[in-house]
Amino acid sequence: GEDVEQSLFLSVREGDSSVINCTYTDSSSTYLYWYKQEPGAGLQLLTYIFSNMDMKQDQRLTVLLNKKDKHLSLRIADTQTGDSAIYFCAELDTGTASKLTFGTGTRLQVTL
Amino acid sequence: DAGITQSPRHKVTETGTPVTLRCHQTENHRYMYWYRQDPGHGLRLIHYSYGVKDTDKGEVSDGYSVSRSKTEDFLLTLESATSSQTSVYFCAIRGTGANEKLFFGSGTQLSVL
Repeated sequence: GEDVEQSLFLSVREGDSSVINCTYTDSSSTYLYWYKQEPGAGLQLLTYIFSNMDMKQDQRLTVLLNKKDKHLSLRIADTQTGDSAIYFCAELDTGTASKLTFGTGTRLQVTL
Repeated sequence: DAGITQSPRHKVTETGTPVTLRCHQTENHRYMYWYRQDPGHGLRLIHYSYGVKDTDKGEVSDGYSVSRSKTEDFLLTLESATSSQTSVYFCAIRGTGANEKLFFGSGTQLSVL
C-alpha cells in the first residue's frame, strides 16, 4: 500500500530557511500537498504540486518534487516564530478512488 | 474558509455506546473523507466517499461505519465506542478537476471513557 514518511522534528533559528522532507512510495500519485497544523487547530492547506511539475514557488514557500526518487520537500524562507507548527505532506492517488495518504508530520520549532 | 462544518466539536461518551459524528459541506464537492488523528500516527483514513451512497474503507475502518445519503452530509458512526477510538476526528472535502485541493473541517475531539 501507499506509504508516506517524514522526519519527526526540525529546529531552526528565526530568519533561517527551513527544509521539511517527505518521501512517498506510490508512483501513481497525481497531487502532493503540504499542510500546516498549529496546536489545537485543524489542517491548513499551504500549497500543492501536480506530479508533472518539478517546482512550485508561493511567496516564502518553495516545493521541490523529485519524481525519480519519490522525494518531496517544502522550503520556508526567512522562517518566523509563527511558522512553528506540525507540517504534513500528503499524496493523492486518483487510481484508488482519490484516496489521500498522509505522512506522520514534522514538528517545526523556530527558536530566537 | 471552505464550507465544512463538523458536529459536535467535542463529545465525551461511555464505552459501548453508539456515537455519530456529522460532516456538512456547502461546496457541493464530490469527495468526502473521515480521518482520525493520534499522536505518533499522523492522520489515518477511516472511510471516504466518492458520491452519494458511494463509500469505501480506509486503512482503519474497523468499528466504524459511514453513510452519505446527500451530497452535503457524510456521517461517521462508531457502532459501539471503545477507548481506543478516543481521538480527534477530521472531515475533509475535495472537488474534481481544477478543484483538486483537499480542505479540512475543524475537527471533533471524542473521548470514550
